[in-house]
Amino acid sequence: SQELEQSPQSLIVQEGKNLTINCTSSKTLYGLYWYKQKYGEGLIFLMMLQKGGEEKSHEKITAKLDEKKQQSSLHITASQPSHAGIYLCGADFNAGNNRKLIWGLGTSLAVNP
Amino acid sequence: DTAVSQTPKYLVTQMGNDKSIKCEQNLGHDTMYWYKQDSKKFLKIMFSYNNKELIINETVPNRFSPKSPDKAHLNLHINSLELGDSAVYFCASGRSDLFSYNEQFFGPGTRLTVL
Repeated sequence: SQELEQSPQSLIVQEGKNLTINCTSSKTLYGLYWYKQKYGEGLIFLMMLQKGGEEKSHEKITAKLDEKKQQSSLHITASQPSHAGIYLCGADFNAGNNRKLIWGLGTSLAVNP
Repeated sequence: DTAVSQTPKYLVTQMGNDKSIKCEQNLGHDTMYWYKQDSKKFLKIMFSYNNKELIINETVPNRFSPKSPDKAHLNLHINSLELGDSAVYFCASGRSDLFSYNEQFFGPGTRLTVL
């Protein structure tokens, strides 16, 4: 089973609507990373959360990490066509050297104008 | 000004051929990665190098051989290509020192199609 579950798998929203994507871990996270991938392109870093209860915002995108550090949500306010793409969460489970990120399966977002 | 670059962007080849993908980063990072993203968009790590040393090898077939001539470059050579190797391969770089953020910077990807 996946160590990191993302939901929903895909999402179609009307422009201007709000939406939320969730990322749930089977164990406590050391760090949680949100990335966006535009179709046919590489991944772009959005933000990173590390502390329980932490919340960060970048333009109209807000990400939160729960107190237990096992779930993160990404919320987009007043979505625009430019928000379309695949959103991936990546988890860091350790604090040591040479760590690797474990990835969720991604959420494909389409925003209809 | 490209931070992580990969070549080629597209690669179409016949089964059984040998091919290489090159990656370079100019961010001064000490760690580089190769990822495979399959048709279902699942991103899976293949290899990671730290200062030219292999540190992660995720049960990848021996046909895949990464090579890091220096810490700014990580190439991927694939022997005897198979249909199942068709995917997008991403190179990434990042810092990996103790307690640092594990933020990774990705290249644009190489779309490999094996016919």
